[in-house]
Amino acid sequence: GESVGLHLPTLSVQEGDNSIINCAYSNSASDYFIWYKQESGKGPQFIIDIRSNMDKRQGQRVTVLLNKTVKHLSLQIAATQPGDSAVYFCAETSYNTDKLIFGTGTRLQVFP
Amino acid sequence: DAGVIQSPRHEVTEMGQEVTLRCKPISGHDYLFWYRQTMMRGLELLIYFNNNVPIDDSGMPEDRFSAKMPNASFSTLKIQPSEPRDSAVYFCASSLAQGYSYEQYFGPGTRLTVT
Repeated sequence: GESVGLHLPTLSVQEGDNSIINCAYSNSASDYFIWYKQESGKGPQFIIDIRSNMDKRQGQRVTVLLNKTVKHLSLQIAATQPGDSAVYFCAETSYNTDKLIFGTGTRLQVFP
Repeated sequence: DAGVIQSPRHEVTEMGQEVTLRCKPISGHDYLFWYRQTMMRGLELLIYFNNNVPIDDSGMPEDRFSAKMPNASFSTLKIQPSEPRDSAVYFCASSLAQGYSYEQYFGPGTRLTVT
């Protein structure tokens, strides 16, 4: 039969604009969340994490927001640069497991 | 630190052949994870080790897949016999059990093509 690949949602932004990437996580028991960035031909790279006792955490040019009520995460990238072009994954886990569950990813494209 | 090292970076083999992928985790890390990434299924956890002991292999697709970690600095993922549907990028990741932190450091991956 015909195989159907994952259709990665794509976000296209202009250089210098802010980007917001969203993620719906699956397990209401998850209490720790991570955003990873994967550039073409490379492995995923840690960006920022957040625990469930927080609803916001800021890093350098990045902010993660957590809404546990609707099981939603977002990653905000300020002043997006060409080097930010990549696929971004959210991942979830909980205190009683060592396993990360990755989302399907969002492709961010930055154009000049 | 050189990071997680994987070899080979690319592997092309014929159906039925044995394939062995190798991983050297970051020195001092307690956990080692093997993932598979495909367009069909995204990033899937296959198996992980803690202190060289396999903890959860529920993600291993079938008996053709096996993984070992003979010591803290080396792990292998073996596919025997390989099939075209095994074509994917295989990642190894390691992490340090440090309180409540789950940051996993990924290697560059091995792109496997089975013809």
